[in-house]
Amino acid sequence: DAKTTQPPSMDCAEGRAANLPCNHSTISGNEYVYWYRQIHSQGPQYIIHGLKNNETNEMASLIITEDRKSSTLILPHATLRDTAVYYCIVRVEGSNYKLTFGKGTLLTVNP
Amino acid sequence: DAGVTQSPTHLIKTRGQHVTLRCSPISGHKSVSWYQQVLGQGPQFIFQYYEKEERGRGNFPDRFSARQFPNYSSELNVNALLLGDSALYLCASSSRATAGGLVTKNIQYFGAGTRLSVL
Repeated sequence: DAKTTQPPSMDCAEGRAANLPCNHSTISGNEYVYWYRQIHSQGPQYIIHGLKNNETNEMASLIITEDRKSSTLILPHATLRDTAVYYCIVRVEGSNYKLTFGKGTLLTVNP
Repeated sequence: DAGVTQSPTHLIKTRGQHVTLRCSPISGHKSVSWYQQVLGQGPQFIFQYYEKEERGRGNFPDRFSARQFPNYSSELNVNALLLGDSALYLCASSSRATAGGLVTKNIQYFGAGTRLSVL
């Protein structure tokens, strides 16, 4: 699996958009970008994933650059409950059965 | 619908003992994976089972073993516990979507974990 690089921590004001970057410069053509988050002492929660097109769901938007070497997870209106560690993971869809987690980004949403 | 359930939620053992952790996947999910998360680190992959067969194993010693039952629930067993085995053990289940014989979707959904403390 391609390695990802994320900032260790970020802050965001409540109600503002949180933009979490991820660098995956060695990503292969068949590798997807996944985002999970983990609120303190809970299991990781799936957020969104994509291959090359931008994706949006009820939780977030995923913007992948055209060369696919980086992506940004966007939480449009952050709340205090969005405070968590966010993990960016790249992996081959389907046949690759495991998720390889790094240390992620600790997002702190401030009132 | 119930999510992934794990039991027990917390467990305290002493060095050298054996432990069994249990996981029930989301209804309809046939794949279960186990992860270990030590404090300050991201989860590390231990095992994956699909249709009761082991499909993947991470870099963990033979003291770690697992199995999956006909109802797709799973157990993780750890023998001869060490202090370093203290961690949050996470179970994830997934449902594989296929198209034309290829797996097209395999999102893993996690349980809340079992917190194991080895004294």
